[in-house]
Amino acid sequence: GQQVMQIPQYQHVQEGEDFTTYCNSSTTLSNIQWYKQRPGGHPVFLIQLVKSGEVKKQKRLTFQFGEAKKNSSLHITATQTTDVGTYFCAGLLSGGSYIPTFGRGTSLIVHP
Amino acid sequence: GAVVSQHPSRVICKSGTSVKIECRSLDFQATTMFWYRQFPKQSLMLMATSNEGSKATYEQGVEKDKFLINHASLTLSTLTVTSAHPEDSSFYICSARQTGASEAFFGQGTRLTVV
Repeated sequence: GQQVMQIPQYQHVQEGEDFTTYCNSSTTLSNIQWYKQRPGGHPVFLIQLVKSGEVKKQKRLTFQFGEAKKNSSLHITATQTTDVGTYFCAGLLSGGSYIPTFGRGTSLIVHP
Repeated sequence: GAVVSQHPSRVICKSGTSVKIECRSLDFQATTMFWYRQFPKQSLMLMATSNEGSKATYEQGVEKDKFLINHASLTLSTLTVTSAHPEDSSFYICSARQTGASEAFFGQGTRLTVV
C-alpha cells in the first residue's frame, strides 16, 4: 500500500535558525497536505499543494511539491518559539476516495 | 476555516464499559469523516473511514465490533469503544471533509483512559 515517509523525526533548533522537514511517497500523489499539531493539541490544516513543482508561501513557511509529485518539503525561515509542534504531511492519491496517508511527523523543538 | 467539534475531550472509564465519542461538523456538511488513533509522540493511525448513510470502512487490524462507527447524518459521526480495556487508552481524533473538498479539518481529540 501507499507509504509516506517523513524525516527527520525530531529537530532541535536555536530560535532564529531555519528548519526543514521532508516527505516522500512511494507512489505518485494527487495532492499533498501539511498539518501542524501543537503539543497537547489536534492537527490543524496548513496548506494543500496540487500542482507538480508547486511552491507556496505562508509568511515564514515555504511549501514545495516535487516535479514528480512524490515528494514535498516544508521550510521555516528564522524559527520562533511559536513554531514548536509536530508537522505532518499527508499524501492523497487520485482516483480514489482521497483518504489521506499521514507521514509520521517531524517534531520541531525551538530553543530560545 | 471549517470547525469540527469533538466531545468529550477527556474521559476516564472502567475496564469493560463502553465509551461513545462524538464528532460534529459545525458549519459544513461532512460527507466523509475519518477516525484516527494517536499514541504519544507518534503519527495518526487511520482506524476507519465513515461515509454518511453507509457502513464504515475499517483499516486492516481494526476490530469493527470493538470500534463501532455510526455516521447517521451529514454533521455527526460517533465512535463507540465497546468493552474498553486499558490497552484501548489512547488519543482518538476525528476529521471531517466537506463534500467535494480534499482537505480535512480535525476535531480537538478525545483522551481516553481505561482503568
